[in-house]
Amino acid sequence: DAGVTQSPTHLIKTRGQQVTLRCSPISGHKSVSWYQQVLGQGPQFIFQYYEKEERGRGNFPDRFSARQFPNYSSELNVNALLLGDSALYLCASSHDISGNTIYFGEGSWLTVV
Amino acid sequence: GIQVEQSPPDLILQEGANSTLRCNFSDSVNNLQWFHQNPWGQLINLFYIPSGTKQNGRLSATTVATERYSLLYISSSQTTDSGVYFCAVGDSISGGYNKLIFGAGTRLAVHP
Repeated sequence: DAGVTQSPTHLIKTRGQQVTLRCSPISGHKSVSWYQQVLGQGPQFIFQYYEKEERGRGNFPDRFSARQFPNYSSELNVNALLLGDSALYLCASSHDISGNTIYFGEGSWLTVV
Repeated sequence: GIQVEQSPPDLILQEGANSTLRCNFSDSVNNLQWFHQNPWGQLINLFYIPSGTKQNGRLSATTVATERYSLLYISSSQTTDSGVYFCAVGDSISGGYNKLIFGAGTRLAVHP
């Protein structure tokens, strides 16, 4: 079975631009979470979506938004990119909202120049 | 919010050595997981262990929830064990969702 898949794997954007990152969860998983990992730190929670509804939001500005589609895939959008948004963006899926065991994708490496 | 502290921050081992990684957390949790991040950034789930002891091959983990700590044991280390080990905790009940709070990680290098 395919794991969590994310795209693109690497991308470079300019300050002020917008970016969309994509995630497909493991088949049968209904919950998708997004995390940001800055170099040298642990991942930080951005959003959790379950059954196409936002169920949790971390301490990130409104420039960050996300959505989940009927097939449970998800997109993370970041507007007005700042240099500090440069990070590894990780998507995780779990079978239900409790996420007792979550599985991460390989991530999208975003560099803002 | 819940604070998560991991120790040691860095660890260098010779192949074959054993090690213990520690995770302290500041409040009651009902979700605790250990992850291994490889050099390419992939986070691999090692254990879901909010309490008790589990073993998987050369790895084992113990969580003492009443004392708010968890330990990850690596025995007979191999070079492929290198990477960063993260402890992540969460309280999925009060918030109604699963927000994991990660520690800063333990960076492990195993040399042949």
